[in-house]
Amino acid sequence: DAKTTQPNSMESNEEEPVHLPCNHSTISGTDYIHWYRQLPSQGPEYVIHGLTSNVNNRMASLAIAEDRKSSTLILHRATLRDAAVYYCILRDGGSNYKLTFGKGTLLTVNP
Amino acid sequence: GAGVSQTPSNKVTEKGKYVELRCDPISGHTALYWYRQSLGQGPEFLIYFQGTGAADDSGLPNDRFFAVRPEGSVSTLKIQRTERGDSAVYLCASSLKVPSGRDEQFFGPGTRLTVL
Repeated sequence: DAKTTQPNSMESNEEEPVHLPCNHSTISGTDYIHWYRQLPSQGPEYVIHGLTSNVNNRMASLAIAEDRKSSTLILHRATLRDAAVYYCILRDGGSNYKLTFGKGTLLTVNP
Repeated sequence: GAGVSQTPSNKVTEKGKYVELRCDPISGHTALYWYRQSLGQGPEFLIYFQGTGAADDSGLPNDRFFAVRPEGSVSTLKIQRTERGDSAVYLCASSLKVPSGRDEQFFGPGTRLTVL
């Protein structure tokens, strides 16, 4: 898997939007961009993924740069429950099955 | 519906002992994965099953680690002659079908293994 770079930590206030950045300058044309998050004392959970176009789901939005070398996970209104480690992961569109996690971004949400 | 379950949730053992960690994937999920997470790190891949067979065990750190999935559902991760460095959270995940770049993996809560 190609490497991703994320800030170690970020802080937000409750009910404000959060933009979590991820750089992946060596992304290949067949790599999907995945985001998972891990709440304290839980296993990771899927958040969203995309290839080229921006994506929205009930949890978040994913904005992908036109050159695909970076992406941003957007939480529209942070809640205390969104405090977690967020992982940005690239997965090849072929038979790549394993997730290669980095250290992720620790998001703190202040009440 | 029921998610991925793992038992036990916590396991404390002594150096040199044998341990088994169990994973019950989501019903119907053919792909199953084991990961290991050390403190402050992201999870690391250990092994991947497609059905009953281990399709990739390249992440197993050494021959003290072994995993089985005899009926294509429940999986057991076995660790022989445990060492203090084996202490970590062992995570299991499953997904619906043959993986692609688009599939979603569902994780269990993990088993926290402590080797004294």
